[in-house]
Amino acid sequence: GAVVSQHPSWVICKSGTSVKIECRSLDFQATTMFWYRQFPKQSLMLMATSNEGSKATYEQGVEKDKFLINHASLTLSTLTVTSAHPEDSSFYICSARGVGYGYTFGSGTRLTVV
Amino acid sequence: GNSVTQMEGPVTLSEEAFLTINCTYTATGYPSLFWYVQYPGEGLQLLLKATKADDKGSNKGFEATYRKETTSFHLEKGSVQVSDSAVYFCALSDPHGNNRLAFGKGNQVVVIP
Repeated sequence: GAVVSQHPSWVICKSGTSVKIECRSLDFQATTMFWYRQFPKQSLMLMATSNEGSKATYEQGVEKDKFLINHASLTLSTLTVTSAHPEDSSFYICSARGVGYGYTFGSGTRLTVV
Repeated sequence: GNSVTQMEGPVTLSEEAFLTINCTYTATGYPSLFWYVQYPGEGLQLLLKATKADDKGSNKGFEATYRKETTSFHLEKGSVQVSDSAVYFCALSDPHGNNRLAFGKGNQVVVIP
């Protein structure tokens, strides 16, 4: 079946630094990838949608300069949280979709900014 | 716009009890409907899905039927196990909405031995 690998599974960083999260589709080509943020005991909030080779489409209220998304290949998308602050601490989840493949989610990344 | 509503609050029940989690939706067109499960500290796993009215999705003893007349997709399991403890999300995908998933708020299910 379709597998999406998300890395790292958890990361702790200092305030003001940047953190990169990778999302890879291991056995299919992901034409579209989605990035979500999840607060404790809440649902997933879609942050942005990216199609391979084009700029990401951000949801209203999401700062595109803070959450940089790159989808340079059909198997890899990255989310970079720039100049992270404690309020950016959250659980980030990616999802990938391809031709003949439905939504497949990564295992998530727990980001803690101290 | 598209939206998914799940019943409020966590669900606590004993092992072998019957589980129902209600889900209703609002959408334009004819969405596909999904149930996802999330175990602690993990991402989401697809539990089951239905793509058209009257379809029944089923997996691991869980079932849900796409009811267009009541715009519902309630999740049921006849006899739960402790290992079913997780958070369950109902979701829809609207082909007219760029196929993005819209999620309900999720329900924490706790099964006690």
